[in-house]
Amino acid sequence: DGGITQSPKYLFRKEGQNVTLSCEQNLNHDAMYWYRQDPGQGLRLIYYSQIVNDFQKGDIAEGYSVSREKKESFPLTVTSAQKNPTAFYLCASSRRGGPDETQYFGPGTRLLVL
Amino acid sequence: QKEVEQNSGPLSVPEGAIASLNCTYSDRGSQSFFWYRQYSGKSPELIMFIYSNGDKEDGRFTAQLNKASQYVSLLIRDSQPSDSATYLCAASGSSNTGKLIFGQGTTLQVKP
Repeated sequence: DGGITQSPKYLFRKEGQNVTLSCEQNLNHDAMYWYRQDPGQGLRLIYYSQIVNDFQKGDIAEGYSVSREKKESFPLTVTSAQKNPTAFYLCASSRRGGPDETQYFGPGTRLLVL
Repeated sequence: QKEVEQNSGPLSVPEGAIASLNCTYSDRGSQSFFWYRQYSGKSPELIMFIYSNGDKEDGRFTAQLNKASQYVSLLIRDSQPSDSATYLCAASGSSNTGKLIFGQGTTLQVKP
């Protein structure tokens, strides 16, 4: 089955620790996205990538980093500089990065701070 | 800051009624509009997209777009308790990047 997988489902971070969230897709999509969702809020864009080896900051990139070394993978690292990381993190992909392309979401990772 | 606005609700309708969900957007350059449904604790799933002014129907769902008024709506006919969820409206940005701007979502409760 084609789809988007995210792991882990739950992640606990200690103070000062960097953690990495995994996102993999086998849809052969060029574009991938990372969003953050806080309770009762919409989705806010962290980073996006329209093609391998290239990515751009979204609206709330501070304290996060990404890489796009393979078409299928777009991992997100939450660094210790992100002071309020507790949220639901969603990875999405679309066939291309154009404005008329539908984005499909993975199941999400819930990050909690210990 | 480009925005998409939704009434957070909750919107409560009886089973079998029509639910009407509304969304306004500020970027006149937005070309495409998407409605996602999100159950509690789950990720968003696409319901419909619309690009052109007018109505687009898919089963019990109808999306309506009025670019002059910068207004998008989603109608759900014959609402079912399983439709109870948060509905997210998203608009494409005016750049050619695929970025979406999401509203905060409207919570719909369908009462049996």
